[in-house]
Amino acid sequence: NAGVMQNPRHLVRRRGQEARLRCSPMKGHSHVYWYRQLPEEGLKFMVYLQKENIIDESGMPKERFSAEFPKEGPSILRIQQVVRGDSAAYFCASSPGGPNIQYFGAGTRLSVL
Amino acid sequence: KNQVEQSPQSLIILEGKNCTLQCNYTVSPFSNLRWYKQDTGRGPVSLTIMTFSENTKSNGRYTATLDADTKQSSLHITASQLSDSASYICVVSMTTDSWGKLQFGAGTQVVVTP
Repeated sequence: NAGVMQNPRHLVRRRGQEARLRCSPMKGHSHVYWYRQLPEEGLKFMVYLQKENIIDESGMPKERFSAEFPKEGPSILRIQQVVRGDSAAYFCASSPGGPNIQYFGAGTRLSVL
Repeated sequence: KNQVEQSPQSLIILEGKNCTLQCNYTVSPFSNLRWYKQDTGRGPVSLTIMTFSENTKSNGRYTATLDADTKQSSLHITASQLSDSASYICVVSMTTDSWGKLQFGAGTQVVVTP
């Protein structure tokens, strides 16, 4: 049973471009969570999704950021018109049902030039 | 202000020695507290999870304690090994609305030297 898969592992974008981060949850998991980690800081919650539904997006910036978890395929975190402040490690976690046991992916490190 | 504070920020210990990491939290209401280990360049991996009614939980050489009255937790590493070099993160689950959102500490960076 493969773990949570995130890709790409590293992503470089120029200011103004779009970044798409993908997360495939563990087999049988229908709950996905996205977190952002800035250097020297703890992980910060961004959004919690269940298949085709956004449960809680209170940690997501109101502009430029969006997330989806379609019926088929991976969850996508999309950042439009990236700025240097978006440079961070983005982690995805999944759980089989409810948030009590979350399994994390290895993260995507986004660098904005 | 972060609701989960960890100390020390970093520490260096000799292989074979023990160490204790601290976590203070102000999260309320509180559902459970977890300790994660995060290796450099990897995602966090769960070590222990405790509800408010549990005082201690062990996982091999890792032992976590919880005092829900003082809102303090500690993680004790016994007989450290080089592979214990990592960031150790204290995470508290809030009980908000219908699900337990996680609040992360900034982590304690542990370096084990030969």
